[in-house]
Amino acid sequence: DQQVKQNSPSLSVQEGRISILNCDYTNSMFDYFLWYKKYPAEGPTFLISISSIKDKNEDGRFTVFLNKSAKHLSLHIVPSQPGDSAVYFCAASAPGETSGSRLTFGEGTQLTVNP
Amino acid sequence: DVKVTQSSRYLVKRTGEKVFLECVQDMDHENMFWYRQDPGLGLRLIYFSYDVKMKEKGDIPEGYSVSREKKERFSLILESASTNQTSMYLCASSFSNYGYTFGSGTRLTVV
Repeated sequence: DQQVKQNSPSLSVQEGRISILNCDYTNSMFDYFLWYKKYPAEGPTFLISISSIKDKNEDGRFTVFLNKSAKHLSLHIVPSQPGDSAVYFCAASAPGETSGSRLTFGEGTQLTVNP
Repeated sequence: DVKVTQSSRYLVKRTGEKVFLECVQDMDHENMFWYRQDPGLGLRLIYFSYDVKMKEKGDIPEGYSVSREKKERFSLILESASTNQTSMYLCASSFSNYGYTFGSGTRLTVV
C-alpha cells in the first residue's frame, strides 16, 4: 500500500526552464510534507517543507504547493540549473504518539537538467 | 556541523553471514531510523527507535533486527544475509516530528 506516490520516475528539462515534480498521497492523516534531494552515493538532504495549514511555501528557487482536497503536492524549481540534477523524494508525516516522527517516502523522481 | 555517520560506505557479504550496519549521530536526537532504498521503490522504513533500548518495526522488518544501547548509536543487523537484501541502507535521525538528517548510506551487496 503506497501511501505516497510519485508517478514520474524521471523528468528532463532545459536549464533555465521550470521543473515541476509531482506527488500524490492517500492518507488523509498526513499533515506535514517534505521534499528531499539525493545525489548518487550521498544521503538525502532536506529541501523544503509545508504544513497542511498552508497551501504554498517558497524558498528561493524552490516552491512547494499543497492541494489538500486533491491530496496532491508539487515542487517547482525556477529557474532549473544543472546542479539540480538529482533524485527528489516526496515525504509525509502524520501526527500521533508513535507515528509523529515517522516519514513515509515516495518512490522518487530523477530530475535531469540539461545545459 | 551536525552529522549522521554510517560506518561503511560499501560492504560485500556472503549469503548466510550475520551483518552489522552501524550508525552514529552527534545531535543528541531522540529518534533514529533505518531505511533501504531500491530503484522504483523509494525509501522503505525497516525499523525505528524513539529512545534508548526502544525499537519499533517499520514497513519491511522481516530479516532484520536492531539495537539501540546508547542514544547516539543505532545498529541494523541482518541475522542471515540473503541476496534480496542487497540494497542501499540509509540511517537517519530526527529531533522532532519534522525532518531527518541522513547519513551517506551503506551500499550492501550480498553474494
